[in-house]
Amino acid sequence: NAGVTQTPKFQVLKTGQSMTLQCAQDMNHNSMYWYRQDPGMGLRLIYYSASEGTTDKGEVPNGYNVSRLNKREFSLRLESAAPSQTSVYFCASSVGDAAYNSPLHFGNGTRLTVT
Amino acid sequence: SQQGEEDPQALSIQEGENATMNCSYKTSINNLQWYRQNSGRGLVHLILIRSNEREKHSGRLRVTLDTSKKSSSLLITASRAADTASYFCATNNAGNNRKLIWGLGTSLAVNP
Repeated sequence: NAGVTQTPKFQVLKTGQSMTLQCAQDMNHNSMYWYRQDPGMGLRLIYYSASEGTTDKGEVPNGYNVSRLNKREFSLRLESAAPSQTSVYFCASSVGDAAYNSPLHFGNGTRLTVT
Repeated sequence: SQQGEEDPQALSIQEGENATMNCSYKTSINNLQWYRQNSGRGLVHLILIRSNEREKHSGRLRVTLDTSKKSSSLLITASRAADTASYFCATNNAGNNRKLIWGLGTSLAVNP
């Protein structure tokens, strides 16, 4: 039982390049989330998916797109990376419907640097 | 945006001592959650306490909630070096349950 798996663990991009961060969970959870964590800013929600087939914007969605491929997988895409997107990205899942009445389970993060 | 605020920002104690961290928030909540983050890792859920609960225990962890003061505390008893981590509170606001508000965390160092 792996929980939430994120790939890659580290990535360096040049400004303007694109990439997709992958996330998969094996807990049969309904909801999945993408957060970014920056020093002094705390965790900020980028996008979430309350159930398979739905996605919604969080606090900081600009510059990102997401795909809920199936119940297990939720990917985050940077179409044209900018230095401001240098951050640690966390995927999380929960059994509920994104009403935060159940705990979030986090992956170990992707450390992204945009030069 | 509103945020939970942990206090203190950093705490350093000796193994065997108790560690207390506090979290304050600004609006009515449905629940409050505490998470731990070890260096370079993802967050791990510790305890969820609902607004109608006043205290919860899990092993060496004790969480209290005072909704009149809009505050919560996390007590770690008999701390160990392995408890060294950052601890975050997150609140699920009653007015918007589709939003989880995160604090900036308390960095705890437990010295052997």
